[in-house]
Formats: sequence, C-alpha cells, structure tokens
Amino acid sequence: AQKVTQAQTEISVVEKEDVTLDCVYETRDTTYYLFWYKQPPSGELVFLIRRNSFDEQNEISGRYSWNFQKSTSSFNFTITASQVVDSAVYFCALSEAKTSGSRLTFGEGTQLTVNP
Amino acid sequence: DAGVIQSPRHEVTEMGQEVTLRCKPISGHDYLFWYRQTMMRGLELLIYFNNNVPIDDSGMPEDRFSAKMPNASFSTLKIQPSEPRDSAVYFCASRNFAGRTGELFFGEGSRLTVL
Repeated sequence: AQKVTQAQTEISVVEKEDVTLDCVYETRDTTYYLFWYKQPPSGELVFLIRRNSFDEQNEISGRYSWNFQKSTSSFNFTITASQVVDSAVYFCALSEAKTSGSRLTFGEGTQLTVNP
Repeated sequence: DAGVIQSPRHEVTEMGQEVTLRCKPISGHDYLFWYRQTMMRGLELLIYFNNNVPIDDSGMPEDRFSAKMPNASFSTLKIQPSEPRDSAVYFCASRNFAGRTGELFFGEGSRLTVL
C-alpha cells in the first residue's frame, strides 16, 4: 500500500525566511508520481508540481524548489524568502503508474503560517 | 476556460435528509474524481470516473453514498440518508489523461454540514 507522511503539522516563520516542508513516501511500485498541492485559506486545491519517479532532477520555479531523493523516499519542498501570501496548507501526494496516475494518496498536510 | 464548477458551495442539512452535490468538470477532461476532506481523515478519494464510467469506487464509505456521471459534463454525489459524520468538504476534480503534467484540477469544494 502507498503512504505519504508529512511529519510537520504546523510551521510558523517570519516573512523573508526560507522554509522547507518535508514529505516522505512509501510505495512498492517502481514507477510512480509525486505531487505538491497548495490549499490557501479560500479552500481550493492548487497544483504546484508533479515529478516522475525516474526523474530525480531537482526543480526550481521562482521562489519554490523541490528536492526529490529516491534513496530516502523524500520529496521536500522549499520556499525561499517566504511571503505572507504563502500562508496555506501544503499537501504532498503520491500516485502509482499502474492506476494511470489517477489514484492520489495525500499526506496529512502542513499548515504554513508566514508572519509579517 | 472555466475551471471545475461545484454546487452548492455550502449546504446545511438535518440528519436523515438527502444531499446531492454537483460537479461540472473542465471541458475535454476525461477523468473525474470525488474527494472528501475532513480533519480526522484528511483528503480521501471516494470514486473516480473515466469517460463517464466508474473505475474505482472503493473509497465510497457505505451504501448511503452514490455517484453518477450521466454525461461528460456533469456528475453528482448523493448521500441518502445523511448523517452528522458525513460533514466534510467534498471536492470534485478533473484531468485530461493526455495532459503533460497529469495534474488534477480541483473545484472550490462543497462544504457539507449535517446537524
């Protein structure tokens, strides 16, 4: 069975600090996909990124960066120079290729609060 | 393009009443998903459809829950009879299998409160 663990329930930082959100996953599949979603206070879920299990290149998108390490089954998310607008719940998720990437298993989420 | 549209946004009902949640996926998307979010259980997949056909309903909690997708542009999730433990935010999401990133596009959710 697949499982996603986000050990950090809540994180609070001051604006402009860097913050890393941890994600550890379990799966028996050799081919799978990893995702990060953002849920702002308004409630909708916003897609941030997807990684394939065979692509371990780290990715940077503006202030966001992702570190994927298969050796430790981790897919961590870093926000550089955090802003108040980054305050949200962030979810890491996993899907297996055998389900055509359709069945997402979400972690418990990390509530990030960025204080001015 | 309009996103995934869900209605109602909020629903308050009494135990035993029938509840129907509605979803219009993004045009051209061939997968539709229903998720439930609660504090206790987080985000759970209830059911998903491919080309209007239910593929996996193993997450549907019990027979009181049913979902249909009569056409490519409409789906319903029905709870009959509703119970207080059904109180949650229900999300509908859609995706295009051919999409490059495989991302799910979520609606804004329907917040259900059963008294």
